[in-house]
Amino acid sequence: GNSVTQMEGPVTLSEEAFLTINCTYTATGYPSLFWYVQYPGEGLQLLLKATKADDKGSNKGFEATYRKETTSFHLEKGSVQVSDSAVYFCALSEGGGATNKLIFGTGTLLAVQP
Amino acid sequence: DAGVIQSPRHEVTEMGQEVTLRCKPISGHDYLFWYRQTMMRGLELLIYFNNNVPIDDSGMPEDRFSAKMPNASFSTLKIQPSEPRDSAVYFCASSLARELFFGEGSRLTVL
Repeated sequence: GNSVTQMEGPVTLSEEAFLTINCTYTATGYPSLFWYVQYPGEGLQLLLKATKADDKGSNKGFEATYRKETTSFHLEKGSVQVSDSAVYFCALSEGGGATNKLIFGTGTLLAVQP
Repeated sequence: DAGVIQSPRHEVTEMGQEVTLRCKPISGHDYLFWYRQTMMRGLELLIYFNNNVPIDDSGMPEDRFSAKMPNASFSTLKIQPSEPRDSAVYFCASSLARELFFGEGSRLTVL
């Protein structure tokens, strides 16, 4: 079945460091890919998305490129801030059909220190 | 729009009691999802609805769990009887065009 695998956390970085959180997926068809972010005590929020191969999603300085050849959607940011501390979830929605069902990874906790 | 609204935000109850969690989705969204989040198992999809009809409840852990969506603006998740292992944060999410919008969650503690 479809699945998402992301790197285990926690990831601890100093402010202004470069961030990469790895995400790979297994899916049939052509899924859309997403990164969601969860700040402490809140629900998940969509951070960025990509709907087809080679698309790059970007938002708030974060980027991720849909790589079909490596089945990956790694999240990157050039310079993290303390306010980026949160849990990041990679997810996919099954391509085609009418369902909006998302399959989430286990989440990666990012802690940014001043 | 106010976003997805869940209530209660926190619930503490004793084992054996009935728990009802409530959700108001974003107006116009045609999908509604119930997720459970725990440290051990992460984010689990329990059930989802399309146009108020349950589509997939394979994630519902046991018969003690039930969910309803009587109309497009309201859904409930009920646990009866509750057990300590049901302690978790329960999220409701609604969507249109594959983007999910989550509520702030209901934190359930069963003693």
